[in-house]
Amino acid sequence: KAGVTQTPRYLIKTRGQQVTLSCSPISGHRSVSWYQQTPGQGLQFLFEYFSETQRNKGNFPGRFSGRQFSNSRSEMNVSTLELGDSALYLCASSLEQRNTIYFGEGSWLTVV
Amino acid sequence: EDQVTQSPEALRLQEGESSSLNCSYTVSGLRGLFWYRQDPGKGPEFLFTLYSAGEEKEKERLKATLTKKESFLHITAPKPEDSATYLCAVQGGSEKLVFGKGTKLTVNP
Repeated sequence: KAGVTQTPRYLIKTRGQQVTLSCSPISGHRSVSWYQQTPGQGLQFLFEYFSETQRNKGNFPGRFSGRQFSNSRSEMNVSTLELGDSALYLCASSLEQRNTIYFGEGSWLTVV
Repeated sequence: EDQVTQSPEALRLQEGESSSLNCSYTVSGLRGLFWYRQDPGKGPEFLFTLYSAGEEKEKERLKATLTKKESFLHITAPKPEDSATYLCAVQGGSEKLVFGKGTKLTVNP
């Protein structure tokens, strides 16, 4: 059974640009959540989507947004990139909202 | 606000030297406590979910336990391949998953 797939794995962007990250959940999983991981702050929750609806949101500025499609695939977008947005962005999926979540390998974003 | 504190931040063991990692938490209405293992450059790998105080789960050399205020991850006779960062997370009434900063475990041969 294929795991959570994230693309791209690595990317470098310039301050002020925007970026879109993609996530394909485990087949049959309907809930997708996104996390930002940095050495200083650890893993922080960004948002969660279930059946194309945002069900929960973390404490991040509006520059961070996401969406989920009818096939449960999800994208997250960060606009007006700042140096501090450099991080590992992790996508996770679960069968339902309250089940155990399984992570992808992440997308490494470097902002220069 | 839900909080998770993991200790120690880093732990060095000799192969075969058993020890425990601690995860202290405060949460409103615990729905689940989760343990993950993360290798450098990779996403967290699921280990255990615990739902109520007194619950225990085992997998190979790992055993997770849960009380009303903390969870322990016991590692028995560790091997070098057990070296990783171990993450603890709680899910409460808000249904958001809150993670601790992790314990970096190094097992020397």
